[in-house]
Amino acid sequence: ETGVTQTPRHLVMGMTNKKSLKCEQHLGHNAMYWYKQSAKKPLELMFVYNFKEQTENNSVPSRFSPECPNSSHLFLHLHTLQPEDSALYLCASSQDKWGNSHNEQFFGPGTRLTVL
Amino acid sequence: LAKTTQPISMDSYEGQEVNITCSHNNIATNDYITWYQQFPSQGPRFIIQGYKTKVTNEVASLFIPADRKSSTLSLPRVSLSDTAVYYCLVNFGNEKLTFGTGTRLTIIP
Repeated sequence: ETGVTQTPRHLVMGMTNKKSLKCEQHLGHNAMYWYKQSAKKPLELMFVYNFKEQTENNSVPSRFSPECPNSSHLFLHLHTLQPEDSALYLCASSQDKWGNSHNEQFFGPGTRLTVL
Repeated sequence: LAKTTQPISMDSYEGQEVNITCSHNNIATNDYITWYQQFPSQGPRFIIQGYKTKVTNEVASLFIPADRKSSTLSLPRVSLSDTAVYYCLVNFGNEKLTFGTGTRLTIIP
């Protein structure tokens, strides 16, 4: 148990569906992250929020829309996804945004997403 | 091009020391190098972090040469439970936080 929870753990959706992934951290951290992990590829950073403000968007397609209503919750809204978007989506949090010493990221268990 | 490189896989017998190296030629001058461990169906878990020279904690050591273009994670006396994928994480400046390609370590009884 890392203090970061994600729901749902598994999600199957069609290309025309709209769904949302939820992440919650109970660690009092200020920074939260979304990562995508595809089979046999390294983790790809998608979005970063620091004190609820988005500070990074790594050229992610607009069919992925993040939302951070407060420093404990992070959402990833999904719409009109493609089959190649099927992957493990990981949420993480850290005390401060990376770049500071001892800025360990705590990861949730991930949501396994399958797009049909 | 900012890139990290790790061996794809490694095998080792129980009780041996394992060293996994990550190459990161253009690491940001003021950023730390971090290593994570990932088991199937779980998120990565922090192992160790360092800036230069050598860092040691209760589970691993991290060696970073003076030029910081690479780093080596050292796991002493591995056991079957150390079978996992290991990633290095570096920042290449301009906030290009990049995970390595990952090394799948298999411990053989």
